[in-house]
Amino acid sequence: AQKVTQAQTEISVVEKEDVTLDCVYETRDTTYYLFWYKQPPSGELVFLIRRNSFDEQNEISGRYSWNFQKSTSSFNFTITASQVVDSAVYFCALSAARDGNNRKLIWGLGTSLAVNP
Amino acid sequence: NAGVTQTPKFRILKIGQSMTLQCTQDMNHNYMYWYRQDPGMGLKLIYYSVGAGITDKGEVPNGYNVSRSTTEDFPLRLELAAPSQTSVYFCASSSTGGSGANVLTFGAGSRLTVL
Repeated sequence: AQKVTQAQTEISVVEKEDVTLDCVYETRDTTYYLFWYKQPPSGELVFLIRRNSFDEQNEISGRYSWNFQKSTSSFNFTITASQVVDSAVYFCALSAARDGNNRKLIWGLGTSLAVNP
Repeated sequence: NAGVTQTPKFRILKIGQSMTLQCTQDMNHNYMYWYRQDPGMGLKLIYYSVGAGITDKGEVPNGYNVSRSTTEDFPLRLELAAPSQTSVYFCASSSTGGSGANVLTFGAGSRLTVL
């Protein structure tokens, strides 16, 4: 069975702090995708990153970075020097690469991040 | 480029009423989806479609219907609204391959309240 666990329900930090959002996944598939999506207070869902299971290189995009470790089945998301605009709910998701229609896209329950000035 | 457009943004229904949530996308994506999001429960797939004329059930299809007569449009119909259908509904689409494979583009959401 596939599963995504985001153990941190809520995180509160002060602006400029670094913060890491954890994502642990379970799957029996050898080829899969992992995703992060952001849902700001306005409510829309925005794609941040997709990582396939064969690419364990860490990814950095500005203040955002992602650490993918198959050995621990984790795909953690770090925001460096957090800003108020980073306040949002962040979702981690998993799909088997053969599930091209996303029918079995598994979502975590999300981590609500509050960045306080 | 509008992306995925959902209407209405807000709606209040009485129990037993019917309504249709509209969704259209202009990215020529073959795949389209309807999700519902309840507080603290993440996203649950209601229905999806892999192309015009083809639809299939997701995780929570009861009480809903869909159709896909064109690539662009994927309306979601609630036939007999119930309080359990109070939720935020998201339409999404994705392409079939390449760098966008499996990546969902979402609409802005429709908040539905059934009283």
